[in-house]
Amino acid sequence: ILNVEQSPQSLHVQEGDSTNFTCSFPSSNFYALHWYRWETAKSPEALFVMTLNGDEKKKGRISATLNTKEGYSYLYIKGSQPEDSATYLCASNRDDKIIFGKGTRLHILP
Amino acid sequence: DSGVTQTPKHLITATGQRVTLRCSPRSGDLSVYWYQQSLDQGLQFLIQYYNGEERAKGNILERFSAQQFPDLHSELNLSSLELGDSALYFCASSVLEEQFFGPGTRLTVL
Repeated sequence: ILNVEQSPQSLHVQEGDSTNFTCSFPSSNFYALHWYRWETAKSPEALFVMTLNGDEKKKGRISATLNTKEGYSYLYIKGSQPEDSATYLCASNRDDKIIFGKGTRLHILP
Repeated sequence: DSGVTQTPKHLITATGQRVTLRCSPRSGDLSVYWYQQSLDQGLQFLIQYYNGEERAKGNILERFSAQQFPDLHSELNLSSLELGDSALYFCASSVLEEQFFGPGTRLTVL
């Protein structure tokens, strides 16, 4: 993989359900993996920065895992709430370059 | 409010012109990053400065240049503007790895 790829592109989840999505990135020369939350008409907001293989980070109902050997990270949201509706971006930092995925657009259904 | 400020908020100009976008990082942050978000592309990393020195370069065109001043504010200069340069330009600052994004400057080239 040369680019950062996120899947799915879009996701509709019932309020209260849990969900997860994936970020795949080049595993060579890995330095860091960033997750951002981006609400419409706002700026991206940092969720996690992950650097070590096997890293797991948690912030409230949101958590993330990192596998640098195979080049993927999962973002989990437990008990989705309407305020979780946003685009979730991941970005790979390698060779002093930051490459963003196109994001997963999450819609929470009431 | 991330603590990162960008001016102006909006800028409308004509093709062939030159503009300067300004970014003031959070107090104490030494790194400044510039990003471009256009309609047909995701977030693109342009360039990073650290304490006045260029640290990393992404997909920045030769018509674009940036600098970081001794007070750590940064400017992104865009010259010989083309219609395709119309985009939202973000800057972000960091002291470690976590980046804090400014509100962005919306550039429209007519």
